[in-house]
Order: sequence, then structure tokens, then C-alpha cells
Amino acid sequence: SAVISQKPSRDICQRGTSLTIQCQVDSQVTMMFWYRQQPGQSLTLIATANQGSEATYESGFVIDKFPISRPNLTFSTLTVSNMSPEDSSIYLCSVREDLLGYNEQFFGPGTRLTVL
Amino acid sequence: QKEVEQNSGPLSVPEGAIASLNCTYSDRVSQSFFWYRQYSGKSPELIMSIYSNGDKEDGRFTAQLNKASQYVSLLIRDSQPSDSATYLCAVNSGGSNYKLTFGKGTLLTVNP
Repeated sequence: SAVISQKPSRDICQRGTSLTIQCQVDSQVTMMFWYRQQPGQSLTLIATANQGSEATYESGFVIDKFPISRPNLTFSTLTVSNMSPEDSSIYLCSVREDLLGYNEQFFGPGTRLTVL
Repeated sequence: QKEVEQNSGPLSVPEGAIASLNCTYSDRVSQSFFWYRQYSGKSPELIMSIYSNGDKEDGRFTAQLNKASQYVSLLIRDSQPSDSATYLCAVNSGGSNYKLTFGKGTLLTVNP
């Protein structure tokens, strides 16, 4: 499977600031996704990062709060804007690898964000 | 609202035993089913995928799918302490929708 890296691995931020998380893949992939995992909870999809067009957001997530870029098939960024303590979570990017048409998704190592 | 339900556990089994993890889903048109293992402080790791009714075996892991009952399970044979982790069930409805819906996970502890 593709090797996925994320930067930063963790950060502590002040309320009201913004943080941009980078996701880099070592090969071209058709689809990239951003998930959030709040403390003690499971994963929730934030949005699908579309190459060359606006991201597709899930219910409850908006572009103004979580702007996403995907300039090419190996890279994407997620920005968490105007942060509050409720944004403290692990943010994960994942990629879909089209292995024989199967929808297998693989996750990056995650970014652990703490908002004070 | 599509839902994926798992027993949160913790599930505790002795080393060498079979661990059985269960998952039910609400969306009858779901097509793809996945089991992820997540160690504390780490990201989820895909360990099994299953798409057809029946059993799929990979080493010590067996995934079982029953679409009529909307039920998917994971069996871990000869459980090892290194299997201690949270196991997440994920479901996809197929087609052009690649979204995964996750259950809350089952914490498995294998005791030496």
C-alpha cells in the first residue's frame, strides 16, 4: 500500500488561531479523505479532497471552518480555522487504493491537535 | 442515518484463545466491509476486508459476513498479547460513494 505521511504529528494551539495539516502520499492516488477522531470516539469523515476542485464536505462540516486543498494526486492540506477547545482531536488523512475495484482505504499516522 | 454498531467492550480473552468481535450495520445496501486495528495512540491499520457472504481467512484472522442479517464479525485465533487493541468495523455503501462509516470500536485485551 501507499506510504502516507502527515505534518505536523502533533501541535498545541491557542484558541482563535488556525493550523494547516499536510498529507503527502508516495504515489498518485485517486481519492484522499480527511477524518476526525475525537477523544475516545471513532472516526468521522470530514470531507473528500478532490483534485483540482472544491472538496466535498459531510454534514456538519463546512468549508469556512475546514478549508481543504488538493493541488495534485499526491498531496492535500486540511486547515482547522478559528480553533476552539472542541476542535481538539486527531486528524487523519486516508487514501483509497483501487485494488481490483475494491474500496480499501489506508490511513496516515495522524495529527494530534490540542487547543487551549 | 447510517449506523454501525459494535460492542464497546472491553473484551478480555486469555492468550491462545479465540477472540470474537461483532458488528451490525443499518444500511441494507452496504457493499464493502472492513476491520481496522488501532493501537493506543496510533492510526487505524486495515487488517481485513470482505465483500461477499461467507468467510474470508487471512492467517489468524477470519472475517465473516452475513448480508441478510446485516452482520459482520472478526475472529482472531490463537490470540496474542500483541493483538490487544481497539478493533474498528467500517462499512461502505458502494457505487461512487467511497465514504466509510465506522463503528465506535471494541477494545480487546489479550491476557498472557
